[in-house]
Amino acid sequence: NAGVMQNPRHLVRRRGQEARLRCSPMKGHSHVYWYRQLPEEGLKFMVYLQKENIIDESGMPKERFSAEFPKEGPSILRIQQVVRGDSAAYFCASSPPPAGTRREQYFGPGTRLTVT
Amino acid sequence: AQKVTQAQTEISVVEKEDVTLDCVYETRDTTYYLFWYKQPPSGELVFLIRRNSFDEQNEISGRYSWNFQKSTSSFNFTITASQVVDSAVYFCALSEAKAAGNKLTFGGGTRVLVKP
Repeated sequence: NAGVMQNPRHLVRRRGQEARLRCSPMKGHSHVYWYRQLPEEGLKFMVYLQKENIIDESGMPKERFSAEFPKEGPSILRIQQVVRGDSAAYFCASSPPPAGTRREQYFGPGTRLTVT
Repeated sequence: AQKVTQAQTEISVVEKEDVTLDCVYETRDTTYYLFWYKQPPSGELVFLIRRNSFDEQNEISGRYSWNFQKSTSSFNFTITASQVVDSAVYFCALSEAKAAGNKLTFGGGTRVLVKP
């Protein structure tokens, strides 16, 4: 049973380019979360999606960032016109529908974005 | 709003010593979930434990143990007889039952360095 998959693992972009990060949840998981880890900091929640729906995007920067989880295919975190401050590790996590005490999120290996 | 504080930024021990990581949380929700994750040097996030707010039993898993004290809003983690492989950053996290989905709020992490 494959875990959460993220690609690419490393991504280098020049300032002003677009970055697309992909996340395939674990089999049977319909809920996806994106988190960002800035250098030497903890993880910060960005967005929570179910298939074709954004449920909570309270942690997303207001501009340049967007996320989607289409009916078919992986979830995509898109960063337009990247700036140096976007350099970070972006983690995707997935979970089954929250029910009772079942609350674990399983994380992918992360995508390390470097903006030059 | 929820908050997780890990006051220790870095702990250095010699192999076979015990090490305790502190975690203090804040929440207004009466039902919540607490987690510990491990981030080894390779960068992935490994789930260690989930504790429900209504279950105050402490737990032991091999060399790992967790002490949940609702009265002091703490969820501390002890590694007994530490080993070099325990060197990692450890994150404590909180999820509130009332929040949509399982959005996690992370502490800043504690870096544990175990020297041979």
